[in-house]
Amino acid sequence: DAGITQSPRHKVTETGTPVTLRCHQTENHRYMYWYRQDPGHGLRLIHYSYGVKDTDKGEVSDGYSVSRSKTEDFLLTLESATSSQTSVYFCAISERGNYGYTFGSGTRLTVV
Amino acid sequence: AQSVTQPDIHITVSEGASLELRCNYSYGATPYLFWYVQSPGQGLQLLLKYFSGDTLVQGIKGFEAEFKRSQSSFNLRKPSVHWSDAAEYFCAEIISNFGNEKLTFGTGTRLTIIP
Repeated sequence: DAGITQSPRHKVTETGTPVTLRCHQTENHRYMYWYRQDPGHGLRLIHYSYGVKDTDKGEVSDGYSVSRSKTEDFLLTLESATSSQTSVYFCAISERGNYGYTFGSGTRLTVV
Repeated sequence: AQSVTQPDIHITVSEGASLELRCNYSYGATPYLFWYVQSPGQGLQLLLKYFSGDTLVQGIKGFEAEFKRSQSSFNLRKPSVHWSDAAEYFCAEIISNFGNEKLTFGTGTRLTIIP
């Protein structure tokens, strides 16, 4: 999607290793979000940010941490990956909700 | 508690038939509501959104949704489906937390189209 990129697009990692996913925006939007998508669960919010160094937990934040040291980047870290964290991860950005949300293309993470 | 409920996990519809996907929300007197579609292996595409005003909202691809406050519902409809409409559909709502916004999704409805 224009203005938002996720990296990497695919990753396979071993249980117990740390993993960092990156979301980068060029829109200068205030809000950034990390979701995970799993069959039967839809998209569940992991963490979100409402400004530089301002973050809050979502509904499935255990095992994840985030950082936002500058407006354009929002990093999601799995400190010690587990198989239950195998999922597709989506980043989203928004200036304000009623202005709309833009989603990234997703990162497919497999923990073996 | 789930703020957005999509009671139908999977719906099968014949091509050319009408479609209605259900969505119920539970947050806010003036909700901000969305419908997204996701084709297999793809990202999310916005179909339509409701913030205020006319309760019947028109979207892309011939979809519409009706906001009914009395039923806490925001159901998605299409008068005649096409095979290309086969996808997963998500209803979503903005939740405000001390002035900060987050978009919360339902669990989705998978739509299958049969000839």
